[in-house]
Amino acid sequence: DAGVTQSPTHLIKTRGQQVTLRCSPKSGHDTVSWYQQALGQGPQFIFQYYEEEERQRGNFPDRFSGHQFPNYSSELNVNALLLGDSALYLCASRSRRIPRGRASYEQYFGPGTRLTVT
Amino acid sequence: KQEVTQIPAALSVPEGENLVLNCSFTDSAIYNLQWFRQDPGKGLTSLLLIQSSQREQTSGRLNASLDKSSGRSTLYIAASQPGDSATYLCAVRPGGFKTIFGAGTRLFVKA
Repeated sequence: DAGVTQSPTHLIKTRGQQVTLRCSPKSGHDTVSWYQQALGQGPQFIFQYYEEEERQRGNFPDRFSGHQFPNYSSELNVNALLLGDSALYLCASRSRRIPRGRASYEQYFGPGTRLTVT
Repeated sequence: KQEVTQIPAALSVPEGENLVLNCSFTDSAIYNLQWFRQDPGKGLTSLLLIQSSQREQTSGRLNASLDKSSGRSTLYIAASQPGDSATYLCAVRPGGFKTIFGAGTRLFVKA
């Protein structure tokens, strides 16, 4: 059973460019969230997608946008890259159906994409 | 606004020692609390998930407790090993869809 996968592993971009990161959720999961983790910090919530719609957004500008496809995979797009966008970008997935015996869901994280903006 | 704080920020202990990592959160209205492990430059591995109605969860040498009323959780690691060296992150899920993380505790276990 494949877990959450992300691509690419590493990426180097120049300030002002645009980038697309990809995520495939764990088998059986239909909800994908994206997080940004700066060096030495905890992950910060960017947004969550299910049913191909953005359901909630954290404190991130409109330069950050996303998409979810019918197979539940997701993309994170960042336009007009800034040096401060350099971070580890993490994707997490879960099922909207709460497991039997549980009161809430558990998230599973991918290995992340390391983005460096120069 | 929910905020999560982890103390200490870093910890260095000799192998075999029992240790406690602390997590505090400002709003007791949470659905669950989750402890993660993160190795340098890697993704997050879920260690323990505590539902809001539970007081603790155990997995092997790990035990996590939750006191919602005081806004605290502790992660207890028994008989620490060099392989336990990593950053440990605490995360809470308040209402809505987001999960809020602490900045983590960097643990180094010396052989």
